[in-house]
Amino acid sequence: QQPVQSPQAVILREGEDAVINCSSSKALYSVHWYRQKHGEAPVFLMILLKGGEQKGHDKISASFNEKKQQSSLYLTASQLSYSGTYFCGTGRMDSSYKLIFGSGTRLLVRP
Amino acid sequence: SAVISQKPSRDICQRGTSLTIQCQVDSQVTMMFWYRQQPGQSLTLIATANQGSEATYESGFVIDKFPISRPNLTFSTLTVSNMSPEDSSIYLCSGLRDRETEAFFGQGTRLTVV
Repeated sequence: QQPVQSPQAVILREGEDAVINCSSSKALYSVHWYRQKHGEAPVFLMILLKGGEQKGHDKISASFNEKKQQSSLYLTASQLSYSGTYFCGTGRMDSSYKLIFGSGTRLLVRP
Repeated sequence: SAVISQKPSRDICQRGTSLTIQCQVDSQVTMMFWYRQQPGQSLTLIATANQGSEATYESGFVIDKFPISRPNLTFSTLTVSNMSPEDSSIYLCSGLRDRETEAFFGQGTRLTVV
């Protein structure tokens, strides 16, 4: 079952902050975050492996609440280059490992 | 990270025909997956390509329609068989070295069935 992301879309002014949430109904081994621009392949942002893990680089960070099966991506002081569609990918152990992507969040940063 | 070369990048095919998409990774990967992505939509997992054995398909996808091969740890193919216009989509392959590392993607194949 596909993880649910919220919001579905968000529009920001340059310099504003945003939070994107990812929620799964199944137990998670890992959470990945990717950004995809139109016509391009998804680009890896970060992976979180442990419940409670938080990671970040530059102005983009993420957290993983294993107990709640949720992850959040934090974008601070947004830049025009942040525009795109953000996907969470949930790593699950069914009969074998698989990576299932969320519904996506469209982000537009305006000057 | 590794690099995946995926080809063709795009194709226009007649209904009823088949197309084979190839992905070549520049280093060995443990896992390879095939996804389908409709314009403006998320990535839907088609199947896990298993090295040396039959692929593991997700609900709604069957081997007769989407046969997959993975003869070694660096190469996989996906065939879209007996195509119809509903198969028009972007197909992406991805690879992971292990469960605790990133997935990297081929550039995708944009398929149009007419």
